[in-house]
Amino acid sequence: GQSLEQPSEVTAVEGAIVQINCTYQTSGFYGLSWYQQHDGGAPTFLSYNALDGLEETGRFSSFLSRSDSYGYLLLQELQMKDSASYFCAVRGQNTGGFKTIFGAGTRLFVKA
Amino acid sequence: ETGVTQTPRHLVMGMTNKKSLKCEQHLGHNAMYWYKQSAKKPLELMFVYNFKEQTENNSVPSRFSPECPNSSHLFLHLHTLQPEDSALYLCASSQVKTGGAQTQYFGPGTRLTVL
Repeated sequence: GQSLEQPSEVTAVEGAIVQINCTYQTSGFYGLSWYQQHDGGAPTFLSYNALDGLEETGRFSSFLSRSDSYGYLLLQELQMKDSASYFCAVRGQNTGGFKTIFGAGTRLFVKA
Repeated sequence: ETGVTQTPRHLVMGMTNKKSLKCEQHLGHNAMYWYKQSAKKPLELMFVYNFKEQTENNSVPSRFSPECPNSSHLFLHLHTLQPEDSALYLCASSQVKTGGAQTQYFGPGTRLTVL
């Protein structure tokens, strides 16, 4: 089956760097995605990794190691507006087709 | 974000009712998605449509029935729901690119309450 683990909560200060880890289990790995969701808002897509390595988009970067079934989201120069929940999602493929599951989310608190 | 619209925004229905949720995307995308978000549970991807063809069905009960008549419209037909189906139902769309990232744009969601 598929499973995902990510920390439930992370706290950091404004201007700092924070890393949110995600470990997964899936058959036929296809890709790992990250989403941001503010309270009361819809999720926003942040990044997608299908291959090993680091993908950078502005202050946000996402890393994947398929051999370790592990990825992380790196947020740099933290701002107060980055306080939100961050979800990783893994897409796998088996004989039944594609399946995508989401982690429970990591709540990030950014303090002044 | 007005690129993806959902109606209604709020819906209250009884367990014997039949209702439909509607999603429309104005972004020229070729893929659309239904998600369910319940309190204190992970986001659940329910259905995926690429080029109007369903490509992913994540073990969703048959009381939820999706319909994608064209690449701009997506429906979720609901019948004989249970109270535990009360949740926020989110629609999203993306432009599918082979092997690449597929930025998904979400609608505001329909808050569904089943009595």
